[in-house]
Amino acid sequence: EAEVAQSPRYKITEKSQAVAFWCDPISGHATLYWYRQILGQGPELLVQFQDESVVDDSQLPKDRFSAERLKGVDSTLKIQPAELGDSAMYLCASSLTSGTEQYFGPGTRLTVT
Amino acid sequence: AQSVTQLGSHVSVSEGALVLLRCNYSSSVPPYLFWYVQYPNQGLQLLLKYTTGATLVKGINGFEAEFKKSETSFHLTKPSAHMSDAAEYFCAVRRPSSSNTGKLIFGQGTTLQVKP
Repeated sequence: EAEVAQSPRYKITEKSQAVAFWCDPISGHATLYWYRQILGQGPELLVQFQDESVVDDSQLPKDRFSAERLKGVDSTLKIQPAELGDSAMYLCASSLTSGTEQYFGPGTRLTVT
Repeated sequence: AQSVTQLGSHVSVSEGALVLLRCNYSSSVPPYLFWYVQYPNQGLQLLLKYTTGATLVKGINGFEAEFKKSETSFHLTKPSAHMSDAAEYFCAVRRPSSSNTGKLIFGQGTTLQVKP
């Protein structure tokens, strides 16, 4: 069964350092999402891609976060510089189109010290 | 704006007992509604969804939920809890598929504990 892949699974970084997460969606899925899940809360959408274009990044802290999906397949989410408050689980999801079921990856758990 | 409220951050039941997890939503348009389950350090798995049609929807692992428009609720139930049901459960809403955004808005989550 096809799955969304994410790496790394766990990341510990120091405050002010740069960190990057990678996501490989299910093959053929045009829509890709990055969510952030702070401990004890539900996930919150950071950015949505349709192919290589950003559809929604209204909740992305653009002063330190960036996301790209250059060829419309895999995607990278970057934080620079990391802050203590960025400690969270970063979830990637993909779907065939924006209106269909989202499949979630296992997530990357980020700890900023 | 859309929002989701899950009543009770922790629910504890005995194995074999009824599971009831509560979800209320707010939306300016008839939303699509979802329940997801999350096991420790894993991603989310879809349990069931309501889009249109029959208001009682059945999902995986014996779970079901009923959409009640008049009560703006979408509570999740399972007749008999199993130890393997212990996990975090999230209710979510989304605008209908006519919108180009697939953004899911999640509740805060409910941790289900199942006691032997």
